[in-house]
Amino acid sequence: GAVVSQHPSRVICKSGTSVKIECRSLDFQATTMFWYRQFPKQSLMLMATSNEGSKATYEQGVEKDKFLINHASLTLSTLTVTSAHPEDSSFYICSARSGARMNTEAFFGQGTRLTVV
Amino acid sequence: SQQGEEDPQALSIQEGENATMNCSYKTSINNLQWYRQNSGRGLVHLILIRSNEREKHSGRLRVTLDTSKKSSSLLITASRAADTASYFCVHSGGSNYKLTFGKGTLLTVNP
Repeated sequence: GAVVSQHPSRVICKSGTSVKIECRSLDFQATTMFWYRQFPKQSLMLMATSNEGSKATYEQGVEKDKFLINHASLTLSTLTVTSAHPEDSSFYICSARSGARMNTEAFFGQGTRLTVV
Repeated sequence: SQQGEEDPQALSIQEGENATMNCSYKTSINNLQWYRQNSGRGLVHLILIRSNEREKHSGRLRVTLDTSKKSSSLLITASRAADTASYFCVHSGGSNYKLTFGKGTLLTVNP
């Protein structure tokens, strides 16, 4: 199956700093990428949907100025958590979809565990 | 919220028994997928069923879909301790095929 690589897998940062998470589709062109957040013992909540070359669409309650999403190429999307605070500590995971294969299995990255201290 | 519901939220069974998890959703869908997640780890795709399908099998897994009731079920037969994980149904809908996760079922299989 297709491979989606997410990096880093784990990051610890100081409160007030920014953290960038990368999501790459390794063997297909990802026209759409989704970013999710998961708090302990909870399900994954969609944060935003990004289509290559256009602005991301954020879900209600997600601050677009805090969670910056860039999807400048068909193989790379980035999520930047700006001015991170301890409450942003969570598991972040991306999903990449190809325009030609939207009604098929979704491919997920391995996830990034962010800890803000 | 468009998030689906799953029941039970937690299920504890003995090895060898069958496990059934149910999922309901609220919107029209293109397909529905089931994923497994071990504690704090990434997601493992289990099976996908399209909106025009009613039942699908894959190894020890059996998935059903009832679009009239907007519900799906996942049956794991002859469970093993290694099946212990959280299971999520994920429905895909809309022009963007947006994926919406259910709340998940935590399955514990006792050896």
